[in-house]
Amino acid sequence: DARVTQTPRHKVTEMGQEVTMRCQPILGHNTVFWYRQTMMQGLELLAYFRNRAPLDDSGMPKDRFSAEMPDATLATLKIQPSEPRDSAVYFCASGETGIEQFFGPGTRLTVL
Amino acid sequence: AQSVTQLDSQVPVFEEAPVELRCNYSSSVSVYLFWYVQYPNQGLQLLLKYLSGSTLVKGINGFEAEFNKSQTSFHLRKPSVHISDTAEYFCAVSEVPRQLTFGSGTQLTVLP
Repeated sequence: DARVTQTPRHKVTEMGQEVTMRCQPILGHNTVFWYRQTMMQGLELLAYFRNRAPLDDSGMPKDRFSAEMPDATLATLKIQPSEPRDSAVYFCASGETGIEQFFGPGTRLTVL
Repeated sequence: AQSVTQLDSQVPVFEEAPVELRCNYSSSVSVYLFWYVQYPNQGLQLLLKYLSGSTLVKGINGFEAEFNKSQTSFHLRKPSVHISDTAEYFCAVSEVPRQLTFGSGTQLTVLP
Protein backbone atom coordinates (compact mmCIF):
# COMPACT_ATOMS: atom_id res chain seq x y z
CA ASP A 1 0.00 0.00 0.00
CA ALA A 2 2.02 2.97 -1.28
CA ARG A 3 1.70 6.14 0.71
CA VAL A 4 3.49 9.39 1.44
CA THR A 5 5.37 9.34 4.72
CA GLN A 6 6.38 12.32 6.83
CA THR A 7 8.69 12.65 9.80
CA PRO A 8 8.44 13.69 12.51
CA ARG A 9 4.70 13.50 13.11
CA HIS A 10 4.95 15.98 15.96
CA LYS A 11 7.60 18.55 16.81
CA VAL A 12 7.75 20.97 19.71
CA THR A 13 10.58 23.46 19.68
CA GLU A 14 11.56 26.83 21.02
CA MET A 15 11.58 30.04 19.09
CA GLY A 16 14.84 30.54 17.21
CA GLN A 17 15.57 26.85 16.75
CA GLU A 18 15.99 25.18 13.39
CA VAL A 19 13.27 22.76 12.33
CA THR A 20 13.61 20.18 9.56
CA MET A 21 10.65 18.23 8.26
CA ARG A 22 11.06 15.29 5.93
CA CYS A 23 8.85 13.69 3.35
CA GLN A 24 9.17 10.49 1.38
CA PRO A 25 6.97 10.70 -1.72
CA ILE A 26 5.36 7.67 -3.28
CA LEU A 27 7.89 5.82 -5.41
CA GLY A 28 7.62 6.91 -9.04
CA HIS A 29 5.82 10.18 -8.34
CA ASN A 30 7.62 13.07 -9.99
CA THR A 31 5.79 16.00 -8.35
CA VAL A 32 6.06 16.93 -4.68
CA PHE A 33 4.18 19.65 -2.80
CA TRP A 34 4.50 21.27 0.62
CA TYR A 35 1.40 22.76 2.27
CA ARG A 36 0.79 24.47 5.58
CA GLN A 37 -2.54 24.25 7.39
CA THR A 38 -3.69 26.61 10.13
CA MET A 39 -7.06 27.48 11.54
CA MET A 40 -6.74 31.07 10.37
CA GLN A 41 -5.34 30.60 6.87
CA GLY A 42 -6.56 27.14 5.99
CA LEU A 43 -4.45 25.19 3.47
CA GLU A 44 -1.66 27.15 1.83
CA LEU A 45 0.68 25.91 -0.87
CA LEU A 46 4.26 26.68 0.18
CA ALA A 47 6.28 25.10 -2.62
CA TYR A 48 6.31 22.37 -5.21
CA PHE A 49 8.83 20.40 -7.19
CA ARG A 50 8.76 18.47 -10.43
CA ASN A 51 11.51 15.99 -11.13
CA ARG A 52 13.29 17.41 -8.05
CA ALA A 53 13.44 20.93 -9.48
CA PRO A 54 11.61 23.69 -7.62
CA LEU A 55 8.80 25.07 -9.79
CA ASP A 56 7.10 27.46 -7.43
CA ASP A 57 7.99 28.55 -3.94
CA SER A 58 6.16 31.86 -3.99
CA GLY A 59 4.01 30.81 -1.04
CA MET A 60 7.00 30.37 1.21
CA PRO A 61 8.56 33.07 3.42
CA LYS A 62 11.99 33.19 1.81
CA ASP A 63 13.89 34.65 4.70
CA ARG A 64 13.41 31.67 6.99
CA PHE A 65 11.98 28.79 4.95
CA SER A 66 13.77 26.57 2.48
CA ALA A 67 12.66 23.48 0.59
CA GLU A 68 14.84 20.97 -1.19
CA MET A 69 14.78 17.55 -2.82
CA PRO A 70 18.22 16.04 -2.34
CA ASP A 71 17.05 12.93 -4.16
CA ALA A 72 13.87 11.47 -5.63
CA THR A 73 12.96 9.73 -2.37
CA LEU A 74 13.35 12.66 -0.01
CA ALA A 75 11.95 16.17 0.23
CA THR A 76 12.82 18.49 3.11
CA LEU A 77 11.30 21.67 4.47
CA LYS A 78 13.47 23.68 6.79
CA ILE A 79 12.65 26.65 9.00
CA GLN A 80 15.52 28.66 10.45
CA PRO A 81 14.97 30.42 12.75
CA SER A 82 11.52 29.23 13.78
CA GLU A 83 8.92 31.60 15.22
CA PRO A 84 5.66 30.96 17.12
CA ARG A 85 3.64 32.02 14.07
CA ASP A 86 5.11 29.03 12.21
CA SER A 87 3.07 26.69 14.42
CA ALA A 88 0.88 24.69 12.04
CA VAL A 89 0.46 21.30 10.43
CA TYR A 90 2.75 20.87 7.45
CA PHE A 91 1.66 18.45 4.75
CA CYS A 92 3.63 16.91 1.97
CA ALA A 93 1.85 15.55 -1.09
CA SER A 94 3.08 13.78 -4.20
CA GLY A 95 1.61 13.02 -7.59
CA GLU A 96 2.40 11.06 -10.72
CA THR A 97 0.08 12.46 -13.35
CA GLY A 98 0.43 15.96 -12.04
CA ILE A 99 -3.28 16.18 -11.31
CA GLU A 100 -4.16 13.95 -8.41
CA GLN A 101 -2.19 14.58 -5.22
CA PHE A 102 -1.62 12.05 -2.46
CA PHE A 103 -1.16 13.58 0.97
CA GLY A 104 1.02 12.47 3.84
CA PRO A 105 -0.22 12.43 7.46
CA GLY A 106 1.41 15.76 8.26
CA THR A 107 3.89 17.14 10.77
CA ARG A 108 2.32 19.08 13.63
CA LEU A 109 4.77 21.83 14.58
CA THR A 110 4.53 23.84 17.76
CA VAL A 111 6.96 26.69 18.27
CA LEU A 112 7.01 28.02 21.83
CA ALA B 1 -6.73 33.73 -11.02
CA GLN B 2 -8.53 30.71 -9.71
CA SER B 3 -10.38 30.75 -6.41
CA VAL B 4 -12.73 28.47 -4.53
CA THR B 5 -15.59 29.35 -2.19
CA GLN B 6 -17.13 26.83 0.14
CA LEU B 7 -20.31 28.48 1.25
CA ASP B 8 -20.82 26.61 4.51
CA SER B 9 -18.14 26.32 7.15
CA GLN B 10 -20.20 23.89 9.26
CA VAL B 11 -22.92 21.45 8.23
CA PRO B 12 -24.63 19.38 10.94
CA VAL B 13 -26.88 16.61 9.70
CA PHE B 14 -28.59 13.61 11.23
CA GLU B 15 -27.48 10.09 10.40
CA GLU B 16 -29.09 8.60 7.29
CA ALA B 17 -30.17 12.03 6.06
CA PRO B 18 -28.97 13.38 2.70
CA VAL B 19 -26.32 16.07 2.59
CA GLU B 20 -25.01 18.60 0.07
CA LEU B 21 -21.78 20.52 0.55
CA ARG B 22 -21.55 23.52 -1.70
CA CYS B 23 -18.55 24.66 -3.71
CA ASN B 24 -18.25 27.49 -6.20
CA TYR B 25 -15.16 28.44 -8.12
CA SER B 26 -13.95 31.25 -10.29
CA SER B 27 -11.61 30.80 -13.19
CA SER B 28 -11.09 32.26 -16.62
CA VAL B 29 -10.15 28.95 -18.22
CA SER B 30 -11.11 25.31 -18.09
CA VAL B 31 -10.51 23.71 -14.74
CA TYR B 32 -10.08 20.43 -12.98
CA LEU B 33 -12.14 20.05 -9.80
CA PHE B 34 -11.61 17.92 -6.72
CA TRP B 35 -13.12 17.05 -3.38
CA TYR B 36 -10.87 15.90 -0.57
CA VAL B 37 -11.81 14.64 2.90
CA GLN B 38 -9.74 15.12 6.05
CA TYR B 39 -10.42 13.00 9.11
CA PRO B 40 -9.09 14.24 12.47
CA ASN B 41 -5.31 14.20 12.73
CA GLN B 42 -4.90 12.82 9.23
CA GLY B 43 -3.89 14.09 5.83
CA LEU B 44 -6.26 14.80 2.98
CA GLN B 45 -7.71 11.94 0.98
CA LEU B 46 -9.14 12.30 -2.50
CA LEU B 47 -12.90 11.66 -2.62
CA LEU B 48 -13.48 12.34 -6.30
CA LYS B 49 -12.32 14.43 -9.23
CA TYR B 50 -13.66 15.98 -12.39
CA LEU B 51 -11.23 16.26 -15.28
CA SER B 52 -13.51 16.02 -18.31
CA GLY B 53 -16.45 14.05 -19.68
CA SER B 54 -19.58 13.29 -17.68
CA THR B 55 -20.51 16.11 -15.36
CA LEU B 56 -21.71 13.69 -12.68
CA VAL B 57 -18.75 12.21 -10.90
CA LYS B 58 -18.93 9.33 -8.45
CA GLY B 59 -16.34 8.92 -5.73
CA ILE B 60 -15.52 6.77 -2.76
CA ASN B 61 -17.75 6.19 0.27
CA GLY B 62 -20.95 6.81 -1.71
CA PHE B 63 -20.24 10.47 -2.49
CA GLU B 64 -20.89 12.10 -5.83
CA ALA B 65 -20.52 15.60 -7.26
CA GLU B 66 -21.92 17.42 -10.24
CA PHE B 67 -19.96 19.89 -12.30
CA ASN B 68 -22.10 22.80 -13.44
CA LYS B 69 -20.16 25.02 -15.77
CA SER B 70 -22.81 27.71 -16.14
CA GLN B 71 -23.09 28.12 -12.39
CA THR B 72 -19.38 27.46 -11.80
CA SER B 73 -20.28 24.99 -9.09
CA PHE B 74 -19.14 21.55 -8.01
CA HIS B 75 -21.40 20.55 -5.13
CA LEU B 76 -20.79 17.33 -3.22
CA ARG B 77 -23.72 15.09 -2.30
CA LYS B 78 -24.47 11.90 -0.46
CA PRO B 79 -27.99 10.47 -0.22
CA SER B 80 -27.55 8.95 3.24
CA VAL B 81 -24.73 9.84 5.62
CA HIS B 82 -23.14 7.78 8.36
CA ILE B 83 -21.49 8.79 11.61
CA SER B 84 -18.17 7.84 10.02
CA ASP B 85 -18.62 10.60 7.42
CA THR B 86 -17.93 13.20 10.10
CA ALA B 87 -14.86 15.03 8.79
CA GLU B 88 -13.72 18.19 7.07
CA TYR B 89 -14.29 18.38 3.33
CA PHE B 90 -12.26 20.52 0.98
CA CYS B 91 -13.11 21.55 -2.54
CA ALA B 92 -10.15 22.35 -4.81
CA VAL B 93 -9.65 23.71 -8.30
CA SER B 94 -6.74 23.52 -10.67
CA GLU B 95 -6.28 25.64 -13.78
CA VAL B 96 -2.85 24.31 -14.43
CA PRO B 97 -2.23 20.71 -13.61
CA ARG B 98 -0.15 20.21 -10.48
CA GLN B 99 -1.22 23.33 -8.58
CA LEU B 100 -4.41 23.17 -6.56
CA THR B 101 -6.24 26.02 -4.84
CA PHE B 102 -8.25 24.80 -1.88
CA GLY B 103 -11.41 26.19 -0.39
CA SER B 104 -11.62 26.98 3.30
CA GLY B 105 -13.27 23.68 4.11
CA THR B 106 -16.65 22.50 5.39
CA GLN B 107 -16.92 20.61 8.65
CA LEU B 108 -19.55 17.92 8.26
CA THR B 109 -20.86 16.62 11.56
CA VAL B 110 -23.21 13.65 11.45
CA LEU B 111 -25.43 13.43 14.50
CA PRO B 112 -26.91 10.18 15.85
